[in-house]
Amino acid sequence: AQSVAQPEDQVNVAEGNPLTVKCTYSVSGNPYLFWYVQYPNRGLQFLLKYITGDNLVKGSYGFEAEFNKSQTSFHLKKPSALVSDSALYFCAAHGGATNKLIFGTGTLLAVQP
Amino acid sequence: GAVVSQHPSWVICKSGTSVKIECRSLDFQATTMFWYRQFPKQSLMLMATSNEGSKATYEQGVEKDKFLINHASLTLSTLTVTSAHPEDSSFYICSATFPGQGRKGYTFGSGTRLTVV
Repeated sequence: AQSVAQPEDQVNVAEGNPLTVKCTYSVSGNPYLFWYVQYPNRGLQFLLKYITGDNLVKGSYGFEAEFNKSQTSFHLKKPSALVSDSALYFCAAHGGATNKLIFGTGTLLAVQP
Repeated sequence: GAVVSQHPSWVICKSGTSVKIECRSLDFQATTMFWYRQFPKQSLMLMATSNEGSKATYEQGVEKDKFLINHASLTLSTLTVTSAHPEDSSFYICSATFPGQGRKGYTFGSGTRLTVV
């Protein structure tokens, strides 16, 4: 079965420190990978995606993610966290075998001032 | 960019009544829309895939007669929760694929918080 895993329910980081939100995937074929952010009672906002090409993808608000095929990972990173980055982050994958976007369980990022 | 407008943002209804949620694609034609349900502190669960002019495809375990989906035009898809009950209270989100990008990109509505009392 195809799946996306976000092993951490919550990540705590101090403002100004680097942050990493982990994501691994299990999908058939060459996956399309996405990161979204959700603020309370709001829809999902697109951050970045990997389709093909350079393994390091740069996205909105200073976020980036690295596609690692051997480890089937797509971790989200930011060099310096802001309090305003505090939100719920979802990793998602779209495999070739299905027309569905598969979501991870989400990671709550809490940035302390 | 492609924008999906979802209304209402929140709704409170009495048990037994029906509620309609609209999802409109602005400035682009969305041949396919997706409807998700999200419980507190949980991930998005795909409920159904809505294709313009045809019947929606429901995920396993989703009641077709309870969650009526209509995609009558290329810019509008609606989800009607019929005979709502408190257990239907949830956050509902729609999404559409970017025009011309298929599975390479999705845009999401802002969500609807449904509370059934």
